[in-house]
Amino acid sequence: AQTVTQSQPEMSVQEAETVTLSCTYDTSESDYYLFWYKQPPSRQMILVIRQEAYKQQNATENRFSVNFQKAAKSFSLKISDSQLGDAAMYFCAYRAYSGAGSYQLTFGKGTKLSVIP
Amino acid sequence: DAGVIQSPRHEVTEMGQEVTLRCKPISGHDYLFWYRQTMMRGLELLIYFNNNVPIDDSGMPEDRFSAKMPNASFSTLKIQPSEPRDSAVYFCASSLRRGAEAFFGQGTRLTVV
Repeated sequence: AQTVTQSQPEMSVQEAETVTLSCTYDTSESDYYLFWYKQPPSRQMILVIRQEAYKQQNATENRFSVNFQKAAKSFSLKISDSQLGDAAMYFCAYRAYSGAGSYQLTFGKGTKLSVIP
Repeated sequence: DAGVIQSPRHEVTEMGQEVTLRCKPISGHDYLFWYRQTMMRGLELLIYFNNNVPIDDSGMPEDRFSAKMPNASFSTLKIQPSEPRDSAVYFCASSLRRGAEAFFGQGTRLTVV
């Protein structure tokens, strides 16, 4: 079974600074997707960024980028120029590309990010 | 598209009562998921449907929980009878057959007293 581990329950960052959230996962699959979701206090789950495992290039979305290390099964999220609106719970998630479990998302426990003005 | 729509947003009920949560997925999405979120257990997949057919309900905690998807645009999650330990946020999500992302509704916060 796939597992996703986020080892940092809480993180904080100064406004305008950069922060990196960690995520590791365990899978025997070679093709899969990885995601970061953001959950602000409104509790809406918002997709921040996704990465296909077959792509070597790290995904970026404006101030958000990932460091995907397939061999190490590591998938960290970097937030640059942090803004107050970035304060939220961040969840790392995994989804297999094919097979019986390919349409399930497996989530980590989350990292609560605080942004200090 | 309005996204995934869930109702109600908040539900407070007494122990023993029946609770029904509702979900309208994004039009054209073939997969629908029900998740439960608690502080202790995080996000747990309860059940998912493909083309209105339940595929995996191994996450449904007990027989008190049941889910249906009578058509492509509507699903329900029912708890009968409800218990205080069912208090949680319940999310519905949908995704395309060949897509990767799941899009979430705003969730229903259920409180059983």
